[in-house]
Parts: sequence; structure tokens; C-alpha cells
Amino acid sequence: KQEVTQIPAALSVPEGENLVLNCSFTDSAIYNLQWFRQDPGKGLTSLLLIQSSQREQTSGRLNASLDKSSGRSTLYIAASQPGDSATYLCAVRISGGYNKLIFGAGTRLAVHP
Amino acid sequence: SQTIHQWPATLVQPVGSPLSLECTVEGTSNPNLYWYRQAAGRGLQLLFYSVGIGQISSEVPQNLSASRPQDRQFILSSKKLLLSDSGFYLCAWSLEGGGETQYFGPGTRLLVL
Repeated sequence: KQEVTQIPAALSVPEGENLVLNCSFTDSAIYNLQWFRQDPGKGLTSLLLIQSSQREQTSGRLNASLDKSSGRSTLYIAASQPGDSATYLCAVRISGGYNKLIFGAGTRLAVHP
Repeated sequence: SQTIHQWPATLVQPVGSPLSLECTVEGTSNPNLYWYRQAAGRGLQLLFYSVGIGQISSEVPQNLSASRPQDRQFILSSKKLLLSDSGFYLCAWSLEGGGETQYFGPGTRLLVL
């Protein structure tokens, strides 16, 4: 059974810091991995999607890496800003079948001025 | 462009009362549709998914049910709510056949007292 774990559960950093959020999964047979952002009381917004054959994806100040063999992904946020404050969720799509996503519990990030 | 709507945004219901949450998608045809529940501090749990009208698959046994009366309408229901049904309910859609990612609605916060 696929399980997704995110560490840390919460993180508070001063503005301008570079930071890393971690995601691990127990079964390496994944179709892809996604990072989502969730603002309080809101829905999810997809940030980055990494196919199982890829190693990383970049969008602006965000970089996500994938090491499928070790079951790990990291989300790197450069030069953090207060507007980055949100919960970041990692989700893996299990291979085959419909688009089923298994989510981690998320990392709650607070960036203070 | 595609949009997804959920209502109501917030709902407070007594234990034992019925429930009906609605989700509609615009701008696409034959989407896959999903209902998730998010408990406080936890990841998203897939409750139901649907690949077409009248086709519902349940992921977790519970006192909830789902229906898809129209192509772009997805309804989550209960005949008698439990305290444990409290949470944040998210609807999502993806392209027919699964697509690469899921697109989430704004969510409904349900509090059962």
C-alpha cells in the first residue's frame, strides 16, 4: 500500500531564506509526482508535476526533484517571500488505472517579514 | 477555460441530518470527477471517483454516497451525518482517461455538531 510522508509538518522561516520541503513514498512504482499549494480554507493549486522518468522540474523560484528509486522528492523554494506562506502537499499518482492520487499530510509553511 | 464550482462554501449541520454537496465543472466534456475529504492536519483522502454519468466508484466505506446525474455534475450525499463527517470536502476533475493532473474546486467546510 502506497504511503506518502512529508517532513517537516510545519516550518517557520524569515523572508529571504532558501528552504527545502521533503516528501517520501513507500512504493517506487509511481506514474508521476506532484506538488500542490493550499492556502487556508481554499482548494489546491498544482505547482509542479514530475513524470516518473524525469529527475526535476522548475518553475520560477520553485524546483522539485524526484529520486524514484529511493522514494524521495524535495521541493526547493528560493528566496522565500511572505506570499509563499501556505500548506504544501505532495501527491503521487500510482501506476496504471485512473488518475488516483495519494497525498501526504502536507508541510505548513510560514514566511515572516 | 475550465472552471469548477462547489457549494455551499460552509455548512453547519446537526448529527443525524442529511447532507448534499454539489460540484459542477464548466468548459470540458466527459471529465473524470473526484470527491476528497481533508481532516484537520491530514492529507486528502479520496472518497469517490467517477469516469462517466452514473458510474461511481467508492474508495472508502462510510455513510456517504455520491451520484453523477449529469456529465459535469457530481453530488456527495449522506442520509444521516456523523460527528466524524466533519471536514473540508474538495471536488476535483481531470481529463477523460485520467489526464496528467487534477484541478480542484474551492471546497466546502462541513461542521457536524
